[in-house]
Amino acid sequence: AQTVTQSQPEMSVQEAETVTLSCTYDTSENNYYLFWYKQPPSRQMILVIRQEAYKQQNATENRFSVNFQKAAKSFSLKISDSQLGDTAMYFCAFMKHVGGANNLFFGTGTRLTVIP
Amino acid sequence: DSGVTQTPKHLITATGQRVTLRCSPRSGDLSVYWYQQSLDQGLQFLIQYYNGEERAKGNILERFSAQQFPDLHSELNLSSLELGDSALYFCASRQGGGYTFGSGTRLTVV
Repeated sequence: AQTVTQSQPEMSVQEAETVTLSCTYDTSENNYYLFWYKQPPSRQMILVIRQEAYKQQNATENRFSVNFQKAAKSFSLKISDSQLGDTAMYFCAFMKHVGGANNLFFGTGTRLTVIP
Repeated sequence: DSGVTQTPKHLITATGQRVTLRCSPRSGDLSVYWYQQSLDQGLQFLIQYYNGEERAKGNILERFSAQQFPDLHSELNLSSLELGDSALYFCASRQGGGYTFGSGTRLTVV
């Protein structure tokens, strides 16, 4: 069963505009972490933002913020004032307890293109 | 530099061969995770080690194996390679709730 679902394979946004990437996840746990990772053409995996499930306040990192809806199991990423350097694959990830260890499971990604 | 070191960056080898990928976690991190990313796909979890012990296994083929050494570096061994094993292989280490990834090893099997 898919743990993390990203329903938007590709998206584009005009430079300086705002875009929201969607992510839903499945869990019966109450305490967990959620992440957004960025993978630019260099293929490096870069942590964008992290959310602890026990925190009600949505995480924010500069132009990046999340809308965490715990009951709906939704974790969307909002990028404000989009820049050309934001062009990348974005992966939503969920840290899950499996077999006595915590592990990170990824969605299939959303390819974001920022248009000049 | 993320602090997680992977070598080599690129590897080209023939089908049927065996290769070893190496990963050194960030200083102070005891855990190492290995992931495989095939072309335009998400990352698939392979295996996790913590302080030298195997902790969890994901979708790792029997032809693949890994270990973590006393100095905490880890090696992923891939044998009897097939064309479909061509992928980016990432390792990551974890401290608390944060995962840090290395820059990956791009394996091409020809």
